[in-house]
Amino acid sequence: QSALTQPASVSGSPGQSITISCTGTTSDVGGYHYVSWYQHRPGEAPTLIIYDVSHRPSGISNRFSGSKSASTASLTISGLQADDEADYFCSSYSSSAFHWVFGGGTKVTVL
Amino acid sequence: EVQLVESGGGLVKPGGSLRLSCAVSGFNFLDYSFNWVRQAPGKGLEWVSSISSSSRYIYYSDAVEGRFTISRDNVRNSLHLQMNSLRAEDTAVYYCARLPVGVYFFDYWGQGTLVAVSS
Repeated sequence: QSALTQPASVSGSPGQSITISCTGTTSDVGGYHYVSWYQHRPGEAPTLIIYDVSHRPSGISNRFSGSKSASTASLTISGLQADDEADYFCSSYSSSAFHWVFGGGTKVTVL
Repeated sequence: EVQLVESGGGLVKPGGSLRLSCAVSGFNFLDYSFNWVRQAPGKGLEWVSSISSSSRYIYYSDAVEGRFTISRDNVRNSLHLQMNSLRAEDTAVYYCARLPVGVYFFDYWGQGTLVAVSS
């Protein structure tokens, strides 16, 4: 069981917006502004798409956005495209020793 | 181009050992901390270990503390994970991930190497 809770799957039609939640505790998501999101396609290296809750690395589409409320972070993908089909993981720094915690991953399907 | 390439995975019996490596290129190795993160079949990611740029600060998850040893070779630009006393629950794809100094996210990852522990 992963430390952070994500829905197992989310789907949407092309052009729609979807939101993936990531729920933790006050020791991780709720206690720090250090939530990051990664896109992971099978057989490929994970790609950082959001860091520090809502910041996008250079080169990442502005269709990806992040937010946080209390101990739940969210990733929104707007204007859904076929290329967005992948697994998405959230991560947070945790005060429970020096380490990071991850979510179980959410499989995004474009209908 | 930033590249991280893991190697050393394979099939090993319970109680056995493996040494994973991560070769990096395209940036100044000394400027970064590095981590190992794993993903068991059908499971989410799990942080395993972290090493600072100078190797002064090293951390492990409770699950591997005392069995795994992280190290880095700042001459050969490589990261290593010595895994001893392997268990079935260590079966996973192991990724190396780069951690910029002063931040709390992994900005580049490798493609992973599969470790399977089975008799």
